Amino acid sequence: TQLLEQSPQFLSIQEGENLTVYCNSSSVFSSLQWYRQEPGEGPVLLVTVVTGGEVKKLKRLTFQFGDARKDSSLHITAAQPGDTGLYLCAGPSNTDKLIFGTGTRLQVFP
Amino acid sequence: GAVVSQHPSRVICKSGTSVKIECRSLDFQATTMFWYRQFPKQSLMLMATSNEGSKATYEQGVEKDKFLINHASLTLSTLTVTSAHPEDSSFYICSAREARGIGQETQYFGPGTRLLVL
Repeated sequence: TQLLEQSPQFLSIQEGENLTVYCNSSSVFSSLQWYRQEPGEGPVLLVTVVTGGEVKKLKRLTFQFGDARKDSSLHITAAQPGDTGLYLCAGPSNTDKLIFGTGTRLQVFP
Repeated sequence: GAVVSQHPSRVICKSGTSVKIECRSLDFQATTMFWYRQFPKQSLMLMATSNEGSKATYEQGVEKDKFLINHASLTLSTLTVTSAHPEDSSFYICSAREARGIGQETQYFGPGTRLLVL
């Protein structure tokens, strides 16, 4: 069974701080995606990484795919209250279904 | 970008009644749609995969007779929670896969439906 474990599970920080969220698996994934979900809404795709070692930047967010394609990280620089939400990594399973990580709930206080 | 809608966004029902949730791809055709369930403060769990014109495939532990899925067209899938009970209360999210070619499939998510069974 392919599992995606995220850490930390919860993160509460002050505005302006930096943070990193990790997504780890013992399985190799052809690609990984990162989503942000706000309460009462569906997840919104932030980025897809497909190449081992790939780094993608989206404003203050930096995403990295591990060289072995078993892990990924999301780094946020100078977090803002608007970054608050549930961050989910996800990847296609062996049966081509999208499976989600355990999630990281981020709270950024002003 | 592609849009997926769900209706209703919220529903409250009495225990024992059935509830139907619709999922529509508004500007693209989706040969495959997925239904997820999300409990408070948890991640999304895949319930079933539906392909247009064929029976849905359910994940282990999901009762197919309780969660009826119909994918009658390339833009509409429905999830019916039959004889709902309080433990079925959850946030149900659908997603639709847009096929653009091999290796270019993108999955778009609906806004979710909050179900509360009293």
